[in-house]
Amino acid sequence: NAGVTQTPKFRVLKTGQSMTLLCAQDMNHEYMYWYRQDPGMGLRLIHYSVGEGTTAKGEVPDGYNVSRLKKQNFLLGLESAAPSQTSVYFCASSSPGQMNSPLHFGNGTRLTVT
Amino acid sequence: GNSVTQMEGPVTLSEEAFLTINCTYTATGYPSLFWYVQYPGEGLQLLLKATKADDKGSNKGFEATYRKETTSFHLEKGSVQVSDSAVYFCALYVNTNAGKSTFGDGTTLTVKP
Repeated sequence: NAGVTQTPKFRVLKTGQSMTLLCAQDMNHEYMYWYRQDPGMGLRLIHYSVGEGTTAKGEVPDGYNVSRLKKQNFLLGLESAAPSQTSVYFCASSSPGQMNSPLHFGNGTRLTVT
Repeated sequence: GNSVTQMEGPVTLSEEAFLTINCTYTATGYPSLFWYVQYPGEGLQLLLKATKADDKGSNKGFEATYRKETTSFHLEKGSVQVSDSAVYFCALYVNTNAGKSTFGDGTTLTVKP
């Protein structure tokens, strides 16, 4: 029972490099989310998607792009990494069809930008 | 808008002590309320939830009651264990908010033997 799988688990980038974080869920959930977690700041929503082919901005979208080409996958891209993007990134999914369904989280990607 | 305020940490307790982590909320609409737990090096996982007023969520000895009159959802456990050391997040979800949950800032609990 995989649930939500994030790859990679760790990554170190130099300023200006690009990368893509992959999130995959096998629960047939409609909604998917990308959060970042920083010390003392809780969880902040970057982007989210309410269905295949749709995306929307969250609280802190600048510097990130996302795509949801398949229902089970949600990709987070950093086009030109900056040290301020050093963080732990969490993907989550949920199913609004299940009344008050909770979020299901992946185990996170720890990104360091030097 | 929606917001969640939870007790600031860190909280340090001895094993078998009583735990309370306070959580209050404001919401437009009728929210469902959740507690999530994050163990070191892992993602958040659902601990318990309540979907309407006066509901009590419970799991692994933890409990929280949805109090609409005080807009609160305090987390309690009668006797904590070292294995309960983690970060606890209170959250709310309103169906009309385009699928977005609102989280508190998290409370770090450390239980010492």
